[in-house]
Amino acid sequence: LAKTTQPISMDSYEGQEVNITCSHNNIATNDYITWYQQFPSQGPRFIIQGYKTKVTNEVASLFIPADRKSSTLSLPRVSLSDTAVYYCLVGAFNQAGTALIFGKGTTLSVSS
Amino acid sequence: KAGVTQTPRYLIKTRGQQVTLSCSPISGHRSVSWYQQTPGQGLQFLFEYFSETQRNKGNFPGRFSGRQFSNSRSEMNVSTLELGDSALYLCASSLGGPTSYEQYFGPGTRLTVT
Repeated sequence: LAKTTQPISMDSYEGQEVNITCSHNNIATNDYITWYQQFPSQGPRFIIQGYKTKVTNEVASLFIPADRKSSTLSLPRVSLSDTAVYYCLVGAFNQAGTALIFGKGTTLSVSS
Repeated sequence: KAGVTQTPRYLIKTRGQQVTLSCSPISGHRSVSWYQQTPGQGLQFLFEYFSETQRNKGNFPGRFSGRQFSNSRSEMNVSTLELGDSALYLCASSLGGPTSYEQYFGPGTRLTVT
């Protein structure tokens, strides 16, 4: 899987939009970009996945520029409950199975 | 649909003992993966099972082993426990096809080795 770089931590206030950028300069043609969220003492939770341009679901949006060397997870109007660690993963699907390789992630702290 | 369940949730063992952790995947999911999470090393992939076969393996010593049953339930075994094995062990299930990195994680088993 391609190496990813994310900020170690970010702070925000309730109601603000939060954008977490992930750098993946060595992304391969077949690689997809996936984001997970993890609360303390819980397993990670899948947020969103994309290949190019923009993907949106009920939780977040994922913006991927044309060169795909970075991606931005956008969380609209965060609340205290969005305080968590966010992981960016990059890799290709293959028949050999799916081994998720997690980096350090970004710890997002939301205050009131 | 019920989520991924792991038992036990908490476990305390003594160095040198062995331990078996259990994971029941979401109904219909054929892939089960195991991860270890520690404050120092973060989330690390242990192994993945698909249709009772180990399909992928991480960089852990042979003391860590697993298996999957015909109903897709999986067990992970750690023999000759070391203090450094204290961690949150997470199990994740997925359909197993090569189309998505979407895995569903259980709540984990907190193992403490004394």
